Amino acid sequence: SQQGEEDPQALSIQEGENATMNCSYKTSINNLQWYRQNSGRGLVHLILIRSNEREKHSGRLRVTLDTSKKSSSLLITASRAADTASYFCAITGAGSYQLTFGKGTKLSVIP
Amino acid sequence: NAGVTQTPKFQVLKTGQSMTLQCAQDMNHNSMYWYRQDPGMGLRLIYYSASEGTTDKGEVPNGYNVSRLNKREFSLRLESAAPSQTSVYFCASSEALWGSYEQYFGPGTRLTVT
Repeated sequence: SQQGEEDPQALSIQEGENATMNCSYKTSINNLQWYRQNSGRGLVHLILIRSNEREKHSGRLRVTLDTSKKSSSLLITASRAADTASYFCAITGAGSYQLTFGKGTKLSVIP
Repeated sequence: NAGVTQTPKFQVLKTGQSMTLQCAQDMNHNSMYWYRQDPGMGLRLIYYSASEGTTDKGEVPNGYNVSRLNKREFSLRLESAAPSQTSVYFCASSEALWGSYEQYFGPGTRLTVT
């Protein structure tokens, strides 16, 4: 399966703390993307990291990719209540076009 | 720019009824997609269109048909709705088909089939 699997399924933290979510996969990939979904809304793209990259930053977001371990992590620093959402990793397998989404991590940030 | 728009936002159908979900994008994107999202299942690809005039099946196409009406519009049709098609449906678009491009999502259509 080319589907990524997020871990943990749910995460609850206090405002100001850092949140880390992980994504593991089983096949070789071209790239990996992270998306956010607020309750009742569509998905919003956060970061795309290519297979030859190890780390990318965007504001308070930091994504790492370890292709040897077939895993990626998303770190949100200094979390805010507005970060409460579900976070999905999506992978594009090597030689494929399709973006395959995992089941997501539900993050709750408590004010 | 409105981005990706979907209509309707909510719909209730009886088993056997038909309906068409509409999707439009104003970003001049070549590729468009239809997904369904069920609790605990993540997003699953129903159909996609690489470019105007082409459509292909995704992971779960049974019970659905699509039309790429023009570059902007991509519709999803349920010919004979079944309770198993109760789900939230998302349309998305991207500059091109390959997964190196981010996808832009619409707000979704929440469909209930009774």
